[in-house]
Amino acid sequence: NAGVTQTPKFQVLKTGQSMTLQCAQDMNHEYMSWYRQDPGMGLRLIHYSVGAGITDQGEVPNGYNVSRSTTEDFPLRLLSAAPSQTSVYFCAGRQDRRTGELFFGEGSRLTVL
Amino acid sequence: TQLLEQSPQFLSIQEGENLTVYCNSSSVFSSLQWYRQEPGEGPVLLVTVVTGGEVKKLKRLTFQFGDARKDSSLHITAAQTGDTGLYLCAGGWKGTALIFGKGTTLSVSS
Repeated sequence: NAGVTQTPKFQVLKTGQSMTLQCAQDMNHEYMSWYRQDPGMGLRLIHYSVGAGITDQGEVPNGYNVSRSTTEDFPLRLLSAAPSQTSVYFCAGRQDRRTGELFFGEGSRLTVL
Repeated sequence: TQLLEQSPQFLSIQEGENLTVYCNSSSVFSSLQWYRQEPGEGPVLLVTVVTGGEVKKLKRLTFQFGDARKDSSLHITAAQTGDTGLYLCAGGWKGTALIFGKGTTLSVSS
């Protein structure tokens, strides 16, 4: 039982490049979400999904896209990377769309030069 | 504007001391959660408080949910070095999403 798996764990990009952070879960999570974590800022919600085909914007959605074509996968796309997107990104999910424990992946550290 | 305000932001204490971390909001929450995060890892749930006035104990950790369900506190008795980490409170947003406060970084030295 892998839980929530994020890839890659580390990535360096140049400004303007695009990339996708992958998130896969095998815990039957209905709800999935992406957060970014910056020093002194806690976790800020980027996008979230309450089921396949349903996504919504979080607190800081600009510069990011998501899709949820299957229940298991929830990729985060950076369209044109900027240095301000240098951060640690966490994918998280929970079984119930409204309540319950949030299970996190191990994080992906992204540096944009 | 941060929906969930945590204080203090940093706390550095000696082993054996007691401490309290606060999570405050102007909004009412149906429940609040507390997570703990260690360096290089994702946060892990400590507790969920649901009822106004509720008190939950987890060994040396005591969690309270305010009567009006707008605030919560985490009290640690006789802190140990293993309690070192980032403590985050989280609450519901837009009905389904979960948002976090900025966190309290706790450092316990021997």
